Amino acid sequence: QKEVEQNSGPLSVPEGAIASLNCTYSDRGSQSFFWYRQYSGKSPELIMSIYSNGDKEDGRFTAQLNKASQYVSLLIRDSQPSDSATYLCAVKGGSEKLVFGKGMKLTVNP
Amino acid sequence: GAVVSQHPSWVICKSGTSVKIECRSLDFQATTMFWYRQFPKQSLMLMATSNEGSKATYEQGVEKDKFLINHASLTLSTLTVTSAHPEDSSFYICSATPEAYEQYFGPGTRLTVT
Repeated sequence: QKEVEQNSGPLSVPEGAIASLNCTYSDRGSQSFFWYRQYSGKSPELIMSIYSNGDKEDGRFTAQLNKASQYVSLLIRDSQPSDSATYLCAVKGGSEKLVFGKGMKLTVNP
Repeated sequence: GAVVSQHPSWVICKSGTSVKIECRSLDFQATTMFWYRQFPKQSLMLMATSNEGSKATYEQGVEKDKFLINHASLTLSTLTVTSAHPEDSSFYICSATPEAYEQYFGPGTRLTVT
C-alpha cells in the first residue's frame, strides 16, 4: 500500500524564522509531489509542486525533492503568522489519484 | 491556478433526505474529478474518482449506492448523498486536474444532517 508519512507535529516557530516540513513516501515509482496548505475550516490550497530532484523556489517557499531517499520537504522562509495552517504532503504515482500524508500543523508565533 | 467551484458551500438537511452537491471547473475542462470527505481534525479521505461519461470509481468502503456521482460534462460533477444520516455530516470537497499533474480543490461543502 502506498504511504506518505509526515511528522505528526505540531510545529511552532517564531515569526521570521524558517519552518521546515518533511515528508517521506513509500512508492519509489512516484513521479509528482505536492504541498498543500489548509487553513482551519477551509479546503486545501496548492502551494508547491515538484517533479524532479533538487530544489524549487517560489517566493518564500522552497520545495526539495530527493527521489533516491524518497523524501520531499518544504521550507518556509521568513515565516509569518498568516502561514499558520496545516500543511499536507501529497504524492502521485502512475494513477491520477493523490496519496496524502496526515498533515503537519504549523503555528507561527508573532 | 485553475479555479474549481462548489455549490452549495453549506447545507443543513433532515435525516432521510437526499442532498446534491455540485462541483464545477470554471476555466478548464476536467475529464476526471475527485470527491473527498474530511471529518474534523482528520485528513482528507478520497471517496471516489469521477470520470466524464462513465461510472465513478469508488474507494474501498465507500457505499456507491449512498454516494451517487454523476459526471455529465467536462466541467460538472455532482455528488448526491442519498438518505442522509447524522453520521454523513462532514466536509465534502471536490478537486479537478486541468493538466496531467496538479490537482486543484474546490472550496468545499459543509453538510450537517439533523
